[in-house]
Amino acid sequence: ETGVTQTPRHLVMGMTNKKSLKCEQHLGHNAMYWYKQSAKKPLELMFVYNFKEQTENNSVPSRFSPECPNSSHLFLHLHTLQPEDSALYLCASSQDIGDSYEQYFGPGTRLTVT
Amino acid sequence: GDSVTQMEGPVTLSEEAFLTINCTYTATGYPSLFWYVQYPGEGLQLLLKATKADDKGSNKGFEATYRKETTSFHLEKGSVQVSDSAVYFCALTTWRDMRFGAGTRLTVKP
Repeated sequence: ETGVTQTPRHLVMGMTNKKSLKCEQHLGHNAMYWYKQSAKKPLELMFVYNFKEQTENNSVPSRFSPECPNSSHLFLHLHTLQPEDSALYLCASSQDIGDSYEQYFGPGTRLTVT
Repeated sequence: GDSVTQMEGPVTLSEEAFLTINCTYTATGYPSLFWYVQYPGEGLQLLLKATKADDKGSNKGFEATYRKETTSFHLEKGSVQVSDSAVYFCALTTWRDMRFGAGTRLTVKP
């Protein structure tokens, strides 16, 4: 498989559940990202990893917990979420971190919190 | 902080019409500028980019020119097709910062 893949594509969870989103990139990139996409709002950057090290955490609530075991895999662990966390969660990767590197996005996980 | 503002949609055009989607930015450094496109049920795909002032990015008939004097990166296409229907995002990156616009939904009718 090529590009950036995300699983699951759809997830419905209750506020007391614990679940994880998975992202895998097959591009040999060094940087990976989590974004939140909500209706009628700009894409929100959540976390950035470069060579498995977290370099950005944009004031994301602790109920979102990222994990990057290697440069090809990225997880987002979810627990005690709120209904306003319902959104499309996008993973992306880039060759490196820097202003000229374009990002390659996965198809996203559509999360619904009930 | 850095930011991107793009025209609100939705935009509805007839096939073969001319398209312009405006994008302006605010940045403290010298950003690279991008246009991404998102088709239904998919993630964002890079459409074109420009990394310095006066550069023109182009792809699939779309063009955008990096205008430092007006801090703009407007997307244009001379003749749109039904298959261009999607959401378009303007974005900027500087060292360690990335910002996206809210997206503009384009619908092209036959």
